[in-house]
Amino acid sequence: QKEVEQDPGPLSVPEGAIVSLNCTYSNSAFQYFMWYRQYSRKGPELLMYTYSSGNKEDGRFTAQVDKSSKYISLFIRDSQPSDSATYLCAMTGRNSGYALNFGKGTSLLVTP
Amino acid sequence: GAVVSQHPSRVICKSGTSVKIECRSLDFQATTMFWYRQFPKKSLMLMATSNEGSKATYEQGVEKDKFLINHASLTLSTLTVTSAHPEDSSFYICSALSPSTSYEQYFGPGTRLTVT
Repeated sequence: QKEVEQDPGPLSVPEGAIVSLNCTYSNSAFQYFMWYRQYSRKGPELLMYTYSSGNKEDGRFTAQVDKSSKYISLFIRDSQPSDSATYLCAMTGRNSGYALNFGKGTSLLVTP
Repeated sequence: GAVVSQHPSRVICKSGTSVKIECRSLDFQATTMFWYRQFPKKSLMLMATSNEGSKATYEQGVEKDKFLINHASLTLSTLTVTSAHPEDSSFYICSALSPSTSYEQYFGPGTRLTVT
């Protein structure tokens, strides 16, 4: 079993829709949870990070972490065509030397 | 925000030659950098962790004699793909660990390597 599982999609939604992206993980030692956005042929860009369980909101983006269920989510409100990209969840902790463990990434397409 | 650069952004080389990729943190000092490899439509696979002034730590299955990593200064790490073969063709991405948060990584734009 991979440490981080993420549905690769693709996920296609109309502009303005609410998007829900999710990851599950197996290592209970993970402490930091991140979401990265990656455009084609570019390096990943950090969108949000959360420490331990809880919610965090930044503009149209909300990140949720449920450590008891080992489940994290990223919600995008009022999605825009410019949000079309691959979204990667990543997580790390002291036990892994802060090396990131990535999910496969979910490909999102927001259609006008 | 912190900026990490990679050079070159794209390289084509012949089978059997060696290629060096540079990763620089432009506005901060990074004691730890990471090298990843990404295949098309796949996630990033950690290859090695590079610590300034010491030997890199390679992930299981990554040949250290083939992928030479040098982290000679606090702003520069290099990855050299030796005796490249077509199966080494991939997208190589580096990241630098933030010195202030200790968990946040800043990624470079990546290097597309094609071995013919």
